Amino acid sequence: EPEVTQTPSHQVTQMGQEVILRCVPISNHLYFYWYRQILGQKVEFLVSFYNNEISEKSEIFDDQFSVERPDGSNFTLKIRSTKLEDSAMYFCASNWRGTGLYEQYFGPGTRLTVT
Amino acid sequence: AQKITQTQPGMFVQEKEAVTLDCTYDTSDPSYGLFWYKQPSSGEMIFLIYQGSYDQQNATEGRYSLNFQKARKSANLVISASQLGDSAMYFCAMRASGSARQLTFGSGTQLTVLP
Repeated sequence: EPEVTQTPSHQVTQMGQEVILRCVPISNHLYFYWYRQILGQKVEFLVSFYNNEISEKSEIFDDQFSVERPDGSNFTLKIRSTKLEDSAMYFCASNWRGTGLYEQYFGPGTRLTVT
Repeated sequence: AQKITQTQPGMFVQEKEAVTLDCTYDTSDPSYGLFWYKQPSSGEMIFLIYQGSYDQQNATEGRYSLNFQKARKSANLVISASQLGDSAMYFCAMRASGSARQLTFGSGTQLTVLP
């Protein structure tokens, strides 16, 4: 069964450093998402991406964040200058039909630790 | 705006018994989808079951069923014949049509299955 993959599984970085989290969505999917889960809290939406542009973003997704689909397979989340409060699990998700009410497939997550 | 409420932060169930995890939601959209995800201690998000707002029948997937009561705006997850491997955090989520297609999650219920 196809799956969403994410790398790395765990990233440790120092405050102020830039990090790039990588995702490979399922190949025929068209809609891509990033979510964040701070330890012990609920999963929060960050941004959705369709047709090579952001379709919606939450208030969490400020100027420090950016997303990109640099080629036909990868989907990246960049945090320009990490803060301690960016420490969280970051999930990538995708689905093939955004207009339908269909399952979003989640990747295994990247645990980001900012020290 | 959509809202998902899970009022049970923790639940215990004896192995082989059934358990119901509560979820209520609020939306003004006439068309929406409700999802349940399982998150084991390893952190990944595992899709369990989906219910569309116009579905006439309650969704079932193996040992999982969704008790959908539209008038009460509830979408409770029922796990039959609990197994030790069912111990995990369970999240209810909703996606409304017409909005950006991200999921809104509840705060989760930590289920512990006792031997």
